[in-house]
Amino acid sequence: DGGITQSPKYLFRKEGQNVTLSCEQNLNHDAMYWYRQDPGQGLRLIYYSQIVNDFQKGDIAEGYSVSREKKESFPLTVTSAQKNPTAFYLCASSIQRGTGNSPLHFGNGTRLTVT
Amino acid sequence: EDQVTQSPEALRLQEGESSSLNCSYTVSGLRGLFWYRQDPGKGPEFLFTLYSAGEEKEKERLKATLTKKESFLHITAPKPEDSATYLCAVGEGGGNKLTFGTGTQLKVEL
Repeated sequence: DGGITQSPKYLFRKEGQNVTLSCEQNLNHDAMYWYRQDPGQGLRLIYYSQIVNDFQKGDIAEGYSVSREKKESFPLTVTSAQKNPTAFYLCASSIQRGTGNSPLHFGNGTRLTVT
Repeated sequence: EDQVTQSPEALRLQEGESSSLNCSYTVSGLRGLFWYRQDPGKGPEFLFTLYSAGEEKEKERLKATLTKKESFLHITAPKPEDSATYLCAVGEGGGNKLTFGTGTQLKVEL
């Protein structure tokens, strides 16, 4: 079955360390996204990519970095510059490059805990 | 700035007790309104897209409707397996992102 795979499901890191979250999709979707979910808040966009080798900052990009070297893969690095990195991270994709009128398909998330 | 407000924050229903969830939005040029279901520890699962006022979509016990200012997710005769958090999101004209509400946490009890 086609879908989005995020790994690992749980991740624990010490403060000051960079960490990379994996996201792979086999839906042949052009666009991919990273969202962050915190209790009591709506999903917030970190970065998105509409095509290979191109990506754009979302609303809360500070302290994060991404790459899009392959259509299927969109890894997210949480750097030590991110002040509050503990959160639930969701990767998504959409068939069209603009999300205004096409739905997102989500992976099952990575819960990152930084102590 | 686009805004999406969902109410109530939490809702507890008895099995078979129908109700509605609300999603109010302000956006310049709605391109689409999306409903998702999210189970604990999982990613959101897409349910419906609505594009214009007056549009309705149905799936099993769920029915989504849209006006110019809000959308409703009607749940008819809910079952315990309908328990989840329901998220609403809007896409605005020309944009490349969705604005999400904070969700309604639904609990259906026997």
